[in-house]
Amino acid sequence: EAAVTQSPRNKVTVTGGNVTLSCRQTNSHNYMYWYRQDTGHGLRLIHYSYGAGNLQIGDVPDGYKATRTTQEDFFLLLELASPSQTSLYFCASSDRTGNTEVFFGKGTRLTVV
Amino acid sequence: SQWGEENLQALSIQEGEDVTMNCSYKTYTTVVQWYRQKSGKGPALIILIRSNEREKRSGRLRATLDTSSQSSSLSITGTLATDTAVYFCATGPNSGTYQRFGTGTKLQVVP
Repeated sequence: EAAVTQSPRNKVTVTGGNVTLSCRQTNSHNYMYWYRQDTGHGLRLIHYSYGAGNLQIGDVPDGYKATRTTQEDFFLLLELASPSQTSLYFCASSDRTGNTEVFFGKGTRLTVV
Repeated sequence: SQWGEENLQALSIQEGEDVTMNCSYKTYTTVVQWYRQKSGKGPALIILIRSNEREKRSGRLRATLDTSSQSSSLSITGTLATDTAVYFCATGPNSGTYQRFGTGTKLQVVP
């Protein structure tokens, strides 16, 4: 079964701190995504990638970096965390993009105090 | 969101009732996907309808797509308490351009 695993599941950090969210997929999918979910805004795409070493910006990339180290692994980096980045973050993967099923992880709850 | 959007709604209905949720989008799409997100979980695809289909059924789910009005709907018949979730639509013009998700409809089904 398709699997996307995120870690950690919960994280609290201070304003100005560094945070790395990790994601691994075992679907052999080309595309991986990072979304944030906030009440009233739904799911908003931060960054995505179509392969190792590739990075594309999404709709809300400001304040975030990302890196795809392998086919399986995609990381989201917050180098100077701010309270506005308190959110629920989802990693996802898909075989193609635009019109195919997207498989999501269980999410990471990030709180910036 | 430019593509695939619906107004955030919160609906509360009694178990056994039917419900319909709507999604409107602003640009061309080849498919509309509907996802369900239960509490504490990530969204999961429940039904996909293509632009050459007007209706798609899966069990108690029925999706419609009207490309002329750029709108889609998801209906659930005979709702169960386990249908309580947030429902998202997602649209994308074609392969190679990422899909965008709507703001979601929060559905509560009361036993």
